Amino acid sequence: GESVGLHLPTLSVQEGDNSIINCAYSNSASDYFIWYKQESGKGPQFIIDIRSNMDKRQGQRVTVLLNKTVKHLSLQIAATQPGDSAVYFCAVLNQAGTALIFGKGTTLSVSS
Amino acid sequence: EPEVTQTPSHQVTQMGQEVILRCVPISNHLYFYWYRQILGQKVEFLVSFYNNEISEKSEIFDDQFSVERPDGSNFTLKIRSTKLEDSAMYFCASSRTPNPNSPLHFGNGTRLTVT
Repeated sequence: GESVGLHLPTLSVQEGDNSIINCAYSNSASDYFIWYKQESGKGPQFIIDIRSNMDKRQGQRVTVLLNKTVKHLSLQIAATQPGDSAVYFCAVLNQAGTALIFGKGTTLSVSS
Repeated sequence: EPEVTQTPSHQVTQMGQEVILRCVPISNHLYFYWYRQILGQKVEFLVSFYNNEISEKSEIFDDQFSVERPDGSNFTLKIRSTKLEDSAMYFCASSRTPNPNSPLHFGNGTRLTVT
């Protein structure tokens, strides 16, 4: 079956640093990828998404990179702030296109 | 910004009891979902719902679970006879169109505790 995994369960950075969170997926036919941020006590909050016909997509302070050759997805956060502290999930659309498959999450801790 | 709202925020129930978790999706959204998250674990898909019927369900969504859209605004998840292992955060989500055309928007969840 399809699976999604994150490389590191935790990441600690200093305020102002750039953060990179990595994710691997198993199904080479996957064509939609999405990053969510989850703060304590809240539901996942959409950050940015990317389709398989793109390698890179930029938002405000965030960039998602997709490497289909190695089935790898990353989220880059520029100038990380304490408010960025949260759990970050990558998710992949399943083959049927009907459900998102989530990875386990990386806890980002930002110290000032 | 419109959001998905869920009630209650926390539900405590005894094993074997029925619970109904309620959700109000974003008003112009047509696709509805339930996901759950056991403490510290990843978010898991339960069911998707469109046009008053289930589009897809996972292995978790067995006969004890059901969903309903009783009126034009609410979307509910019922667990008929709760088990201890049903304890989790349950998230409702909605989207305007099916993926990948628009992302899912999640509510803040209902924490279900089965004792």
